[in-house]
Amino acid sequence: QVQLVQSGAEVKKPGASVKVSCKASGYTFTSYDINWVRQATGQGLEWMGWMNPNSGNTGYAQKFQGRVTMTRNTSISTAYMELSSLRSEDTAVYYCARGRWEPSLPRTYYFDYWGQGTLVTVSS
Amino acid sequence: SSELTQDPAVSVALGQTVRITCQGDSLRSYYASWYQQKPGQAPVLVIYGKNNRPSGIPDRFSGSSSGNTASLTITGAQAEDEADYYCNSRDSSGNHLKVFGTGTKVTVL
Repeated sequence: QVQLVQSGAEVKKPGASVKVSCKASGYTFTSYDINWVRQATGQGLEWMGWMNPNSGNTGYAQKFQGRVTMTRNTSISTAYMELSSLRSEDTAVYYCARGRWEPSLPRTYYFDYWGQGTLVTVSS
Repeated sequence: SSELTQDPAVSVALGQTVRITCQGDSLRSYYASWYQQKPGQAPVLVIYGKNNRPSGIPDRFSGSSSGNTASLTITGAQAEDEADYYCNSRDSSGNHLKVFGTGTKVTVL
């Protein structure tokens, strides 16, 4: 069965960086995008960016441009999201989600599997 | 980037029908997908494309789209449908960017 298993909770100081991992299993890792989504306590979902694990191509939401880097290690089917220059407003649960589109369903893109989430707390 | 706007909250009597809407310019070009999120849990995909349900999602969930508005309808709402619902679509600005709606809290009375 498809699974995305994320790394554990992190506590970081302002100005530091955090790197969250997302290990995929149950499917061919390079065949589907990995997206990253975050959610601050009591707030909505916020899309951060996507990565094509096959090519390594990425696309980031404008808000995170310059601060986020998404990478992968295909040999261990793992995607990574690194966020730098952390501030208190970055305290949130971070999710990875498998993204897919299908040629048979034009104009359609969706996230069909999600990781369990990783709480990142930024505090001095 | 484009925005997707949802009503903050709606309520529905048990067994009745509720429609949740999502408005945004990008919906003229791309279909929305819809996600259900219960407290403390990761989101779950409930509708994608024109009106497609993943395996395991009850058929009381359906989707539709017209112009710049996408809708998620729950026909015969159950207590377990009480949750936050988010739409998502591709950003029409290009580069495969995505955007989530503002979210709708559904309360089943």
